Amino acid sequence: NAGVMQNPRHLVRRRGQEARLRCSPMKGHSHVYWYRQLPEEGLKFMVYLQKENIIDESGMPKERFSAEFPKEGPSILRIQQVVRGDSAAYFCASSQGANYGYTFGSGTRLTVV
Amino acid sequence: RKEVEQDPGPFNVPEGATVAFNCTYSNSASQSFFWYRQDCRKEPKLLMSVYSSGNEDGRFTAQLNRASQYISLLIRDSKLSDSATYLCVVTANSGNTPLVFGKGTRLSVIA
Repeated sequence: NAGVMQNPRHLVRRRGQEARLRCSPMKGHSHVYWYRQLPEEGLKFMVYLQKENIIDESGMPKERFSAEFPKEGPSILRIQQVVRGDSAAYFCASSQGANYGYTFGSGTRLTVV
Repeated sequence: RKEVEQDPGPFNVPEGATVAFNCTYSNSASQSFFWYRQDCRKEPKLLMSVYSSGNEDGRFTAQLNRASQYISLLIRDSKLSDSATYLCVVTANSGNTPLVFGKGTRLSVIA
């Protein structure tokens, strides 16, 4: 079992470019969560998805950010027109269902220059 | 009031010491509780779930006090490898509520 796979591990983007972060959940997990962690800060919930559905996006900024989890393929977190403040570690986690512990991927460290 | 509050530390303790972390949560509807561990620049990893009756896993003991909305983690006989940030995590049991993480307490175990 390969666990939760995130790629890329590191991503550098210039201001104004788009960032696409990918997450493949653990085998058998249908719940995917995205969290953001700023330097020296805690993990902040962004969005919770199940296959083809956004369950909770209350933590996601209303503009420039979007997420999907298609029927086939990984979950994608997309950030359009990145700004320096988007620089952070973005962690994806998956679980068997609500109220189960999560398994996290290694994260994508986004740097906006 | 923050949903999950922890003392940020750092806690600097010698090897072999016993150290305790505390955490309070604001949502009285919270039903599931966990401790996660996060090493520097790594992903969080589940350390243990926290049950109402308290539970132990080797050198680690977790306690829950629902009346006070308080969770604790006790580490006995600290090892150098215990150095990490410990995250208190809660969720309401309302079906589809994501986990809420505290900012974490940093522990450094010193030789």
